[in-house]
Amino acid sequence: KAGVTQTPRYLIKTRGQQVTLSCSPISGHRSVSWYQQTPGQGLQFLFEYFSETQRNKGNFPGRFSGRQFSNSRSEMNVSTLELGDSALYLCASSYGQGRETQYFGPGTRLLVL
Amino acid sequence: DQQVKQNSPSLSVQEGRISILNCDYTNSMFDYFLWYKKYPAEGPTFLISISSIKDKNEDGRFTVFLNKSAKHLSLHIVPSQPGDSAVYFCAASAKINGGATNKLIFGTGTLLAVQP
Repeated sequence: KAGVTQTPRYLIKTRGQQVTLSCSPISGHRSVSWYQQTPGQGLQFLFEYFSETQRNKGNFPGRFSGRQFSNSRSEMNVSTLELGDSALYLCASSYGQGRETQYFGPGTRLLVL
Repeated sequence: DQQVKQNSPSLSVQEGRISILNCDYTNSMFDYFLWYKKYPAEGPTFLISISSIKDKNEDGRFTVFLNKSAKHLSLHIVPSQPGDSAVYFCAASAKINGGATNKLIFGTGTLLAVQP
């Protein structure tokens, strides 16, 4: 079974631009969560989606948004990029909506210049 | 504020010895705890979990201990192997509106180096 895939793997943007990151969960998984990893803050929760509905949202500004499609694929969007948005963005999928093993993708490394 | 803390940024142990990684939390609503391992250029991999109704869970070489009164958990790896060298993250979860969720609060990680 293929694992969680994230595209693109690396991205360079400039301040003020916007970016869209994509996550394809493991086949059959309906829950997708997103995390931001930075050296100073570790992994921080962004959003959780289940069956196209956002169930939880982390403490991030409104510039960070996401969605999930009917095939469980998910995208997250960051508008008006800031230097501090440079991070590794990780996506995790699981079958159900709580307390089930979450499988992480390799992440998208975003660099904002 | 950091609700899950891993105060040791790094740990070095000899192959065959025990590795003990520690984690403290502040939120008393956390009732489910996990450990993940991360190699460079890969996403975190689930290792082991424990519910707050238990104080110990074991899976092969990995054992997690939970001390609720101290709000402390630890991961023991016995015996340690060079392939265990990675960053280890502690994570915690609380129910939201009475329901389980996939939202995890992570610590900042501990880099474990197992020397051959």
